[in-house]
Amino acid sequence: GAGVSQSPRYKVAKRGQDVALRCDPISGHVSLFWYQQALGQGPEFLTYFQNEAQLDKSGLPSDRFFAERPEGSVSTLKIQRTQQEDSAVYLCASSLQEREQFFGPGTRLTVL
Amino acid sequence: AQRVTQPEKLLSVFKGAPVELKCNYSYSGSPELFWYVQYSRQRLQLLLRHISRESIKGFTADLNKGETSFHLKKPFAQEEDSAMYYCALKGGGSNYKLTFGKGTLLTVNP
Repeated sequence: GAGVSQSPRYKVAKRGQDVALRCDPISGHVSLFWYQQALGQGPEFLTYFQNEAQLDKSGLPSDRFFAERPEGSVSTLKIQRTQQEDSAVYLCASSLQEREQFFGPGTRLTVL
Repeated sequence: AQRVTQPEKLLSVFKGAPVELKCNYSYSGSPELFWYVQYSRQRLQLLLRHISRESIKGFTADLNKGETSFHLKKPFAQEEDSAMYYCALKGGGSNYKLTFGKGTLLTVNP
């Protein structure tokens, strides 16, 4: 079956633009995670959903970052007024409850 | 707070040589430890977890609570083992977050 998919795979934004990154989790996975991976670093937790409920958003770096999963399936990570420090790979992962997390290919965001 | 340290950014060995990728962690409770691997142009995937106590692709890792370590070992490295390896920690109970180390790039030379 299909794994976690993310789109777009690459995004270039000018500083100050808003961006939206999409994640399609594995069908039936109730848990969905977003991570940010800066160059040369490991992934860092951003936020966690269980179905449509956002249970933890403690990792979001600022109020410019917003995530939603309105129907408990597809999720969107939105970044408003992008800054250069937002340049990173954004990873989405899904899992069955507290089981293994399966990662998507990531979206590489470059802010000029 | 939970933290994972991988002291080596780069590790280069020859084919057939033993390899050990180091991982140390900091966590006050009983963590779950994982090794994730990312091959070139592929997505991050789980290699093994300490609770399974299994060997995957010849790799093993033992959780040493006294030394707070979870080093990844393989007795005879293969060229196809060349990849980025990340050690990760999940806190016990309902703690679902994965905390990753910075990763070690393993290169196995022919």
